[in-house]
Formats: sequence, C-alpha cells, structure tokens
Amino acid sequence: GQQVMQIPQYQHVQEGEDFTTYCNSSTTLSNIQWYKQRPGGHPVFLIQLVKSGEVKKQKRLTFQFGEAKKNSSLHITATQTTDVGTYFCAPGAGSYQLTFGKGTKLSVIP
Amino acid sequence: KAGVTQTPRYLIKTRGQQVTLSCSPISGHRSVSWYQQTPGQGLQFLFEYFSETQRNKGNFPGRFSGRQFSNSRSEMNVSTLELGDSALYLCASSLTTNTEAFFGQGTRLTVV
Repeated sequence: GQQVMQIPQYQHVQEGEDFTTYCNSSTTLSNIQWYKQRPGGHPVFLIQLVKSGEVKKQKRLTFQFGEAKKNSSLHITATQTTDVGTYFCAPGAGSYQLTFGKGTKLSVIP
Repeated sequence: KAGVTQTPRYLIKTRGQQVTLSCSPISGHRSVSWYQQTPGQGLQFLFEYFSETQRNKGNFPGRFSGRQFSNSRSEMNVSTLELGDSALYLCASSLTTNTEAFFGQGTRLTVV
C-alpha cells in the first residue's frame, strides 16, 4: 500500500474557525479517500477523489486533489462541535488494501 | 441494507489464549479487510480477502490469521495473545478494489 504523511496530527480550534488537514505522498496516487471517525466510533467514508486537480464540496467541507496527484487536503469552513473526530486519508494505487494515514484529530472548543 | 456486522463487540482474554473475531460484510460485497487500531499506531492493515482468497497481508506476525467463507463472511484469529494485541479490530467491506469501504463497529479486545 501507498504510504502517506498526514498533518497536523492534532488540531484544536475555536468553534467557527476554519480547519485544514493535509495528506502528502512521495508517489503518484491513483485516487484518495477520506474518512471521519467520531470518538468511540468507526471510520465513515466521506469522499473519493480521482482526477488531477479535483475539488469536491460537501456543505462546509472542501476536498482537493493536487495537480500531481501526490497530495490532498480537507478543509472545513466555520467548524462546529459536530466536526469533532479524527480525519483519515487513505490513498489508492490500484492495490487491494487501504493504507490509512495517521489521521488528524480535530477538537472544537465551543 | 444491513451494514457490516462484527461480533463480539467486546472481549477480554488472558495472555497466551487465542481469539476468533467474526465479520459479516454488506450483502454483495466480496472484499473484506481487517484493521487493527491502537492509540499509538493508528489504523493498521492486517489483511484483505476476496472470494475466499487472501489478496494482501500487512506487516503482522503469523499469530494473526484470517479466512473468508463462501458467503463472504470472514473471521480473523489471533493465537498466543500478547498484552500488545489489545486494540480495536475493525472489519471493512467493499464492492471492489479502491471503492468506498464500509466499516463495522469493531471488536474491542483487551488482553490481560
């Protein structure tokens, strides 16, 4: 599986502030998936990006896939307490496994 | 449709024992993957099965094994348990390669 570096590892934000997590690879990825895991829960699929330079939005969440398909980001506008959790990226490279990044744990201070 | 079902949800075992965890994927999904999640190591891939064949294996010792049945249900077994095996074990099913993975609630294993 592909190895990725996810940063930051932790992020504490005030409610209403924006939040961004980055996922970086040294090799070209065929696609990338993003998951969210709430405290005490299991990972839940958010989105998959496939095309170079792709940008997808889900309400306050914006996902980007870099032009070189080596990095991706997840941006949350005006965080809410419901955004609390750990966000994982999982790159695909045509293999049969998902290798998850270490994740970014988001805390939102009300 | 029913989601991924893992049993049991919680398990306490003694060091040296063995354990078997079960996973029933979403109907129609033939790919089942297993992950170990610990606070220090994050989500680590154990192995993936497709149509009863192990297609890929993570970097875990041979004490960790698995299998998949003809109905796609999967089991993973850990023999000679060690304290460090305490973790949340997650199973995920998907339709094909590189498509959305649906996770079960996990089995929380505690080794004492």
